Amino acid sequence: DTEVTQTPKHLVMGMTNKKSLKCEQHMGHRAMYWYKQKAKKPPELMFVYSYEKLSINESVPSRFSPECPNSSLLNLHLHALQPEDSALYLCASSLETGGYQPQHFGDGTRLSIL
Amino acid sequence: AQKVTQAQTEISVVEKEDVTLDCVYETRDTTYYLFWYKQPPSGELVFLIRRNSFDEQNEISGRYSWNFQKSTSSFNFTITASQVVDSAVYFCALSEGGGSNYKLTFGKGTLLTVNP
Repeated sequence: DTEVTQTPKHLVMGMTNKKSLKCEQHMGHRAMYWYKQKAKKPPELMFVYSYEKLSINESVPSRFSPECPNSSLLNLHLHALQPEDSALYLCASSLETGGYQPQHFGDGTRLSIL
Repeated sequence: AQKVTQAQTEISVVEKEDVTLDCVYETRDTTYYLFWYKQPPSGELVFLIRRNSFDEQNEISGRYSWNFQKSTSSFNFTITASQVVDSAVYFCALSEGGGSNYKLTFGKGTLLTVNP
């Protein structure tokens, strides 16, 4: 079992809906990440949080809004998404953001936009 | 230009064959880190190995081995005596940037299918 837990595992939503993806880890990691992965493509970095503060935003559209309420939780709020946003959304965590730290990934949320 | 190139899109082998997955990277940083991850159909990326730019020592872990050569900017991964459970997409990744700006960039991945 992965030590990074993502919920829900699957999500289908309309373009006008508002939903949130949740990620949780209890490994004491202080860096958390959101990635987007389209089918048969590599993961692409969206956001990085370091000590609960947003440190990297890879020019992600504002319809994606990340939130890190505490060191164990990472949310991704979704609003007015487009069909091209359908993808696997992966959360990851690492001890810190130092490049040597391996990232530990969750199983992901498979998101479908109707 | 791609920072991480995995030239093999798909590889198919028969069980017990050895297989090598190639990875070539590009960076201007003197300090950087290389990783291999495995992604089975379930979706989770599983960390396999990391290497820093100052450590060219090759590593063996069970049936897995890694060959890091800075002279050719390559970090290849070999599975010895492959098994059906090795079937997955394998990603090579480069971490560069420094300080709090390290970013992990993945190659396009190699789909390995091990047939019984």
